Amino acid sequence: EPEVTQTPSHQVTQMGQEVILRCVPISNHLYFYWYRQILGQKVEFLVSFYNNEISEKSEIFDDQFSVERPDGSNFTLKIRSTKLEDSAMYFCASRQSGTVYEQYFGPGTRLTVT
Amino acid sequence: SQKIEQNSEALNIQEGKTATLTCNYTNYSPAYLQWYRQDPGRGPVFLLLIRENEKEKRKERLKVTFDTTLKQSLFHITASQPADSATYLCALWMDSSYKLIFGSGTRLLVRP
Repeated sequence: EPEVTQTPSHQVTQMGQEVILRCVPISNHLYFYWYRQILGQKVEFLVSFYNNEISEKSEIFDDQFSVERPDGSNFTLKIRSTKLEDSAMYFCASRQSGTVYEQYFGPGTRLTVT
Repeated sequence: SQKIEQNSEALNIQEGKTATLTCNYTNYSPAYLQWYRQDPGRGPVFLLLIRENEKEKRKERLKVTFDTTLKQSLFHITASQPADSATYLCALWMDSSYKLIFGSGTRLLVRP
């Protein structure tokens, strides 16, 4: 069964450094998302991406964040100048089409900022 | 803004019983309400979706109801098993903003 994959599974970085989290969505899916989950808290929407552009973003998704689909398979989240409070699990998700709303999540990348 | 409330206390039940989890929301009704399962350190896994014009949806041992008057969804697992132990997340799809908003989840523990 096709699945969303994410790399790395765990990333440790120093405050102020840039990180890139990578995702490979399911191949025939058209809509892509990033979420984050701080330990013990709820899953929070960050950004949605369709047709090579951002379609919606949350207040969390400020200028520190950017997303890209550099080729036909990868979807990346870049966090510039990381802060301690960026430490969280970051989940990528994808869904098939405009009328199919269930999302398929990857296993997540645990980001630890020290 | 839309708020979603799920019981933050863990639900502890005996194997074989029916687990019932509640999701309440404020403000306007979503177009779709979804339920996901999340195991520790893993991503959410989609379980069921119910549309605003549907009252009930079933899939194997799972049942979801949706009451737009009460602004509430109930999620039932019948004949529960220890393997059903996980956190269950309610999520609302808002057509107005094209995003999924999650509740904080309810942890279910099924004792053998």
